[in-house]
Amino acid sequence: EIVLTQSPGTLSLSPGARATLSCRASHSVKSSYLAWYQQKLGQAPRLLIYGASSRAIGIPDRFSGSGSGTDFTLTISRLEPQDFAVYYCQQYGTSPLTFGGGTKVEIK
Amino acid sequence: QRHLQESGPGLVKPSETLSLTCTVSGGSISGSLYFWAWVRQPPGKSLEWIGSVYENGSVSYYPSLKNRVTLSVDTSMNQFSLNLRSVTAADTAVYYCAKHADFWSVDNWFDRWGQGTLVAVSS
Repeated sequence: EIVLTQSPGTLSLSPGARATLSCRASHSVKSSYLAWYQQKLGQAPRLLIYGASSRAIGIPDRFSGSGSGTDFTLTISRLEPQDFAVYYCQQYGTSPLTFGGGTKVEIK
Repeated sequence: QRHLQESGPGLVKPSETLSLTCTVSGGSISGSLYFWAWVRQPPGKSLEWIGSVYENGSVSYYPSLKNRVTLSVDTSMNQFSLNLRSVTAADTAVYYCAKHADFWSVDNWFDRWGQGTLVAVSS
């Protein structure tokens, strides 16, 4: 099983700041099969990124994903008020599918 | 756009079976070529994939749950279901149904999610 470790656990930033979230895998993720989700309190996860760097339909271009192998990054270029949430990475290259522990982006 | 909705009891006694159904609207499960999944999230914790089922009944399960889980699909009702046996307090979670994004395979991401339903295991 591939274990995904997200860091930091919490990111305290101001609106307009740049957010950089890390997702590190215990083994190489096949073909960059990694997705990112946003989850707000009381809501279901929302797909942001798949294939490590492809934005899902309707996702603003301030969200970008990068990385390969064992190291992946989600970047939010300029935080909007609605971006404060918890973010999860998920790998789907090797069964079982696994998720990271999450990074909470909170208002500073 | 497909819409997914979970339904089932919100409280289950320890050692009993947790049963949930996901109803899909806005598109048919039959002929969709997608796998359909269950994901759970214990309070305050991360997400855990439980398993996925195809329209023909083919399944894939998370290994540590495999001995207690059964997923099934009812194409006539456009629903798929989760049965989790011998539950304990550790199975208390919000249970989400979700749709895989790519055809024919479990090895892909989730592009549609239900709103989730909280199931508590308690006597």
